[in-house]
Amino acid sequence: GAGVSQSPSNKVTEKGKDVELRCDPISGHTALYWYRQRLGQGLEFLIYFQGNSAPDKSGLPSDRFSAERTGESVSTLTIQRTQQEDSAVYLCASSLGSGNSPLHFGNGTRLTVT
Amino acid sequence: AQSVSQHNHHVILSEAASLELGCNYSYGGTVNLFWYVQYPGQHLQLLLKYFSGDPLVKGIKGFEAEFIKSKFSFNLRKPSVQWSDTAEYFCAVNAGSARQLTFGSGTQLTVLP
Repeated sequence: GAGVSQSPSNKVTEKGKDVELRCDPISGHTALYWYRQRLGQGLEFLIYFQGNSAPDKSGLPSDRFSAERTGESVSTLTIQRTQQEDSAVYLCASSLGSGNSPLHFGNGTRLTVT
Repeated sequence: AQSVSQHNHHVILSEAASLELGCNYSYGGTVNLFWYVQYPGQHLQLLLKYFSGDPLVKGIKGFEAEFIKSKFSFNLRKPSVQWSDTAEYFCAVNAGSARQLTFGSGTQLTVLP
């Protein structure tokens, strides 16, 4: 009965470096979401995976951002050539996949780009 | 595109005061509505949800919310807040065929003992 697990919990990186963030969803959850929360702001949708369907990438802010998910398991969010404006908490959530299924969130990864 | 507005950025109340946090959304069709809460140091968790039926929904910890379709609103209420209700509250909407939730910017509630 573990919840959504994200790693690392904190990441400090230098501008220009690549980072990879990991999300382990709840077992059996077919849907997986990535959101970004900048300081003092709401949650910004990034990308959505549903089973084996093509992901909804409409929220990715630039081509430096990409995400992968194999089947209904782990997902990784990669940010290439990080910029200071990428500093935020990156939240992963999973759900059973129907439109009205509540999201279960992880604790997030706090990314700081120096 | 759907959007969600939470008008109060920070609300400060004394214990036992009544609470109402505003939430308005922009979408003319069928919507699913949610309130999530994030207690200090914890992850976001579901407080309550509305899909259909009775527009007054009850959630955990004595919270309730009323869906008023004509006003595109889904305000969160609690008759008497406690210090332990100090948290950030997010309203979210899932509209039409969209699968992702659109979140408001959040309201930080501080309850003074």
